[in-house]
Amino acid sequence: EIVLTQSPATLSLSPGERATLSCRASQSVGRYLAWYQQKPGQAPRLLIFEASTRATGIPARFSGSGSGTDFTLTISGLEPEDFAVYYCQQRSSWPWTFGQGTKVEIK
Amino acid sequence: EVQLVESGGGLVQPGGSLRLSCAASGFTFRHYAMGWVRQAPGKGLEWVSVISASTGNTNYADSVKGRFTISRDNSKNTLYLQMSSLKAGDSALYYCAKAVVQGVISDWFDPWGQGTLVTVSS
Repeated sequence: EIVLTQSPATLSLSPGERATLSCRASQSVGRYLAWYQQKPGQAPRLLIFEASTRATGIPARFSGSGSGTDFTLTISGLEPEDFAVYYCQQRSSWPWTFGQGTKVEIK
Repeated sequence: EVQLVESGGGLVQPGGSLRLSCAASGFTFRHYAMGWVRQAPGKGLEWVSVISASTGNTNYADSVKGRFTISRDNSKNTLYLQMSSLKAGDSALYYCAKAVVQGVISDWFDPWGQGTLVTVSS
């Protein structure tokens, strides 16, 4: 099973600041990595797939990069609605797995 | 608009059974793979199972293999998860989710429903 490790666990930032979230895989997943956003009481929402492709309707301030084992989600200029938990997920091999999540909180 | 509405959750004793349903609308259900993801209270996400659009191909997490069965009724636009021999560790919010691209089982999944809560406790 591929283990995804996200860092940091919590990111405390102010609105307008840049957020950089990391996801590291225990073995190469190629570009089969996605990022999801989850707000309290809501289902996760797909933000980025194939490491760097924004899903439909996702603002341009969200960007993804990386391949192989190291991936990054960048939010350039946090909006109030961006404070949430972010999960990475791989589908390179079953069982598909998620990272443990990074909480982006208001500083 | 795509809508996924889960139902069937509840309180069940260890060793018991439960069947979850996910009613889908707003898209051609028979063309898309579907899946179940669970989230224990305050915890992270875990893929439980996926099923192909029409061939019946399935995958299961090792933690549920042999106890859970995913199925679908394309005539009723409904996805199911039959859960048996339930354990306390199966307690979670169960989400159903739709594949983004039609025709493939190995895909990204979005959107997800709002979930149905399963609590396994005596």
